[in-house]
Amino acid sequence: QITLKESGPTLVKPTQTLTLTCTFSGFSLSTSGMGVGWIRQPPGKALEWLALIYWNDDKRYSPSLKSRLTITKDTSKNQVVLTMTNMDPVDTATYYCAHLRYTYADYWGQGTLVTVSS
Amino acid sequence: EIVLTQSPDFQSVTPKEKVTITCRASQSIGSSLHWYQQKPDQSPKLLIKYASQSISGVPSRFSGSGSGTDFTLTINSLEAEDAATYYCHQSSSLPGTFGQGTKLEIK
Repeated sequence: QITLKESGPTLVKPTQTLTLTCTFSGFSLSTSGMGVGWIRQPPGKALEWLALIYWNDDKRYSPSLKSRLTITKDTSKNQVVLTMTNMDPVDTATYYCAHLRYTYADYWGQGTLVTVSS
Repeated sequence: EIVLTQSPDFQSVTPKEKVTITCRASQSIGSSLHWYQQKPDQSPKLLIKYASQSISGVPSRFSGSGSGTDFTLTINSLEAEDAATYYCHQSSSLPGTFGQGTKLEIK
């Protein structure tokens, strides 16, 4: 049974760096074809892909956010970490992590709401 | 970046009706198109992978078709529990992009 859970701050100030951790179970990120992605959803708006990382450490970023994002994995801890720099109120959203089987997201975390406000 | 445009944005439908949602890509993506259902205050759920491949546990009334730039999600004999927002997702160009969503309201 695959499960994922996001953790991190619920409130960050403008210009600060956001660090989110996805802790998962039921699969290994050292297995071929496996990956973890981060997706966000502003309140009442659509889903937006942020970044993903694969078992072979292949990393992909949203072109519009690439300069602000870093994704890493710790296979021994079953964790994937996303950092986003220079946070702004428009980055207020629910942030999801998801299990990738090659390129589609078949299991999702519950999401964590991050509010950016001074 | 590949842009996905869904239509309609909103649809109000009655139970047992057949529903068709379309997703058009700004360039050819082969069959790298997936569909998700998101109910209020829930995480998205995978419905269809690679345009037309079914997912275990998803009711058979959900089906997908298409390739290249034009794709369709069909819901046969709509049920009240299908009230949700539906998103298409392309994985041809990673990390991928989503459509803007189609909200289904059940009358």
